[in-house]
Amino acid sequence: NAGVTQTPKFQVLKTGQSMTLQCAQDMNHEYMSWYRQDPGMGLRLIHYSVGAGITDQGEVPNGYNVSRSTTEDFPLRLLSAAPSQTSVYFCASKYTGLAGGTSNEQFFGPGTRLTVL
Amino acid sequence: AQKITQTQPGMFVQEKEAVTLDCTYDTSDPSYGLFWYKQPSSGEMIFLIYQGSYDQQNATEGRYSLNFQKARKSANLVISASQLGDSAMYFCAMREYSGGGADGLTFGKGTHLIIQP
Repeated sequence: NAGVTQTPKFQVLKTGQSMTLQCAQDMNHEYMSWYRQDPGMGLRLIHYSVGAGITDQGEVPNGYNVSRSTTEDFPLRLLSAAPSQTSVYFCASKYTGLAGGTSNEQFFGPGTRLTVL
Repeated sequence: AQKITQTQPGMFVQEKEAVTLDCTYDTSDPSYGLFWYKQPSSGEMIFLIYQGSYDQQNATEGRYSLNFQKARKSANLVISASQLGDSAMYFCAMREYSGGGADGLTFGKGTHLIIQP
């Protein structure tokens, strides 16, 4: 299993440009999410999805869109990039069965470092 | 109010010593889980240990243990016999299970641990 994969690893954008951060997982996890990590901060939830066709907002959703057409993929779109969106972006997925405990562990991708000039 | 507080921005510890990383949390949800993640300089998020609010015993995973004091709302990570490879950022995180909604993790700001030879 590849786990959670993210592309690209690095990206530089100009203010106003749009782009899509890709995320895929091969563990058949229903739940997927996007976080951003800013210097000196922990991760903050942007958007999440509990299954194909279902998405919702997290703590910091403004400026980002998501869609979930398949179980495997959960892309994050920046519609008009701003310098405030300079950050490291992590995608994560987890099993949502009833077992609980460590089976609720979130598996994180390697991250995408985004710079907006 | 912060839901997860990590009061130690940075720590220096001698190799082979035990380390305690502090974490306090704030929730009114009776059902929650506490997680610790390690983030080395390479940037990936590595799951270390999990403690459920109803777990009777403190969680242990190899050299990692979680000192869970429910009444004090603290969930400190203890690393026994520290190694140079333990140098990293450590994040405490919480998931609240009863409220529905995002089901995401709320992170603290992290502790930068440096192990000295």
